[in-house]
Amino acid sequence: GDKVKQSPSALSLQEGTNSALRCNFSIAATTVQWFLQNPRGSLINLFYLVPGTKENGRLKSAFDSKESYSTLHIRDAQLEDSGTYFCAAGDSNYQLIWGSGTKLIIKP
Amino acid sequence: DAGVTQTPRHEVAEKGQTIILKCEPVSGHNDLFWYRQTKIQGLELLSYFRSKSLMEDGGAFKDRFKAEMLNSSFSTLKIQPTEPKDSAVYLCASSFGTGAEQFFGPGTRLTVL
Repeated sequence: GDKVKQSPSALSLQEGTNSALRCNFSIAATTVQWFLQNPRGSLINLFYLVPGTKENGRLKSAFDSKESYSTLHIRDAQLEDSGTYFCAAGDSNYQLIWGSGTKLIIKP
Repeated sequence: DAGVTQTPRHEVAEKGQTIILKCEPVSGHNDLFWYRQTKIQGLELLSYFRSKSLMEDGGAFKDRFKAEMLNSSFSTLKIQPTEPKDSAVYLCASSFGTGAEQFFGPGTRLTVL
């Protein structure tokens, strides 16, 4: 089965609303990275986490290694937030194990 | 500071050709990664270098894929011979050290006819 399960696989939001994306891990993740892949295909770094939480503007992320999950919260969604969000867990070999992505569409 | 750079951005090859993709990591980064991204398989690790030493040679990709890192600021990925199933986006990433945050280049979109 998937070592990193990302949910939901797709999401459509109205501009100005809030949402939460989630990754569940079946491996012992030591770190988590969240990326946004924009429509041009570039992977943009959002967060790099050890267990704990970080906040950056309208984005907030948490990583709980004991419960084996991570979340990404988007507040007041804007059109430019559209794209595919990926989480990737750092495993014991320090390699990234990737989720399959959440495709997010923000509608005006 | 310049981020990870990759050339070319697009490549079209005939089946059986040899192609070489290039990557320059972020200056000062010690680890370099090559990934392949397709809609079906998602992101797959091809190769991983730590301080220019090959740590991961891609398992199933060993056959026709060869990554090299001749110096700390330049890496190549050779695919020989190419097959249509190799059509994908090839991404290069670098990080400062083991387990550190990875930063990605813009990718090379390869189409094999």
